[in-house]
Amino acid sequence: ETVLTQSPATLSLSPGERATLSCKTSQDISTYLAWFQQRPGQAPRLLIYDASHRAPGIPARFGGSGSGTDFTLTISSLEPEDFAIYYCQQRDNWTFGQGTRVEIE
Amino acid sequence: QVQLVQSGAEVKKPGASVKVSCKASGYSFTSHDIYWVRQVTGQGPEWMGWMNPSSGNSGYAQNYQGRVTMTRNTSINTAYMELSSLRSEDTAVYYCARGGRLGSSNWFNPWGQGTLVTVSS
Repeated sequence: ETVLTQSPATLSLSPGERATLSCKTSQDISTYLAWFQQRPGQAPRLLIYDASHRAPGIPARFGGSGSGTDFTLTISSLEPEDFAIYYCQQRDNWTFGQGTRVEIE
Repeated sequence: QVQLVQSGAEVKKPGASVKVSCKASGYSFTSHDIYWVRQVTGQGPEWMGWMNPSSGNSGYAQNYQGRVTMTRNTSINTAYMELSSLRSEDTAVYYCARGGRLGSSNWFNPWGQGTLVTVSS
């Protein structure tokens, strides 16, 4: 089973700053990776699919990159509503990472 | 717009079963798979299984095989997830999600609002 490891566990930043989140997989998964955002008390929301494609309606400040075993989610300039938990997910058995919390510094 | 609306919170005793519903609207219900995911407080989501509303076929994650059943009623555009032999560790929020064909796969988009299931004696 492919294991997803996200880092850091918590990222403390200020609005307007750039956020860089990492997801590493235990096996090569090509580009079969998605990113989700989860705000408190809400369901996860799809941001990125196939590693680098924004889902419909997702703002351009969200970007994804990577292939193989190393993936990155970048938020170019944090808005107040972006402070949340972010999860990566891969297509093999649909497993998720443990999440990165982006909090206000 | 595409929407999935789930049934309300449940409190169950150990050993009982729970059945959560997920009503779809805004799209052709039989054209997209439905996934079920659970999330224990403070942990990442965990995929439980999938169901094809057109055929009724389903597949379950190994952790849940033998305890979970996913079904549907196409006349009311509703999917169901039943989990049996409940234990305290099953206390979690349960989500349904539509398999939205994007790029290579049926990525989970959108999700229902979640149903809290509490297992307590």
